[in-house]
Amino acid sequence: EDKVVQSPLSLVVHEGDTVTLNCSYEVTNFRSLLWYKQEKKAPTFLFMLTSSGIEKKSGRLSSILDKKELFSILNITATQTGDSAIYLCAITSGGSNYKLTFGKGTLLTVNP
Amino acid sequence: GAVVSQHPSRVICKSGTSVKIECRSLDFQATTMFWYRQFPKKSLMLMATSNEGSKATYEQGVEKDKFLINHASLTLSTLTVTSAHPEDSSFYICSARVRRQVDTEAFFGQGTRLTVV
Repeated sequence: EDKVVQSPLSLVVHEGDTVTLNCSYEVTNFRSLLWYKQEKKAPTFLFMLTSSGIEKKSGRLSSILDKKELFSILNITATQTGDSAIYLCAITSGGSNYKLTFGKGTLLTVNP
Repeated sequence: GAVVSQHPSRVICKSGTSVKIECRSLDFQATTMFWYRQFPKKSLMLMATSNEGSKATYEQGVEKDKFLINHASLTLSTLTVTSAHPEDSSFYICSARVRRQVDTEAFFGQGTRLTVV
């Protein structure tokens, strides 16, 4: 069974801090790893990673994948209160459905 | 990004009745749609995967007779909660993606808050 483990489960920081969120996985037939941000309702897409060692960056957010260690990190620099959310990591595994399996998420709270 | 519309956003129903939730991809053809259930402060639990024109694949522990999924077209999937009970109260959310040889991200609907009284 595919497994996605995120850590920490929750994190409280002050504005301006840098945070690193972790995601490890066990999967047969890995295809891709995705990061989402969920505030109140629907998760919004952040990154999709398929290759090891290639950093994806969007503003203050960046992410990288290590397929050898089965691990990804999501970095947020100079955090703002608007970054407060649940950050979800998901993997796509092969097979006929290419299903998306989510981790439990990391609840990030950024205090002013 | 692509838009997925989920309706209704909130529904309250009586025990024993059935509720239908719709998930539409508005500007792309979703060959695959996923239905998730989310409890407060918990992650998304995959209930089933549906591919257009074929039967849904349910995850272990999900009752297929209770949660009926239909994916009749490339832009619409429906989840019907039959004979709803208070324990079915939850946040249900769909996502849709296009299946290609190269992976695409999944886009989410806004979710449906179901309360069974």
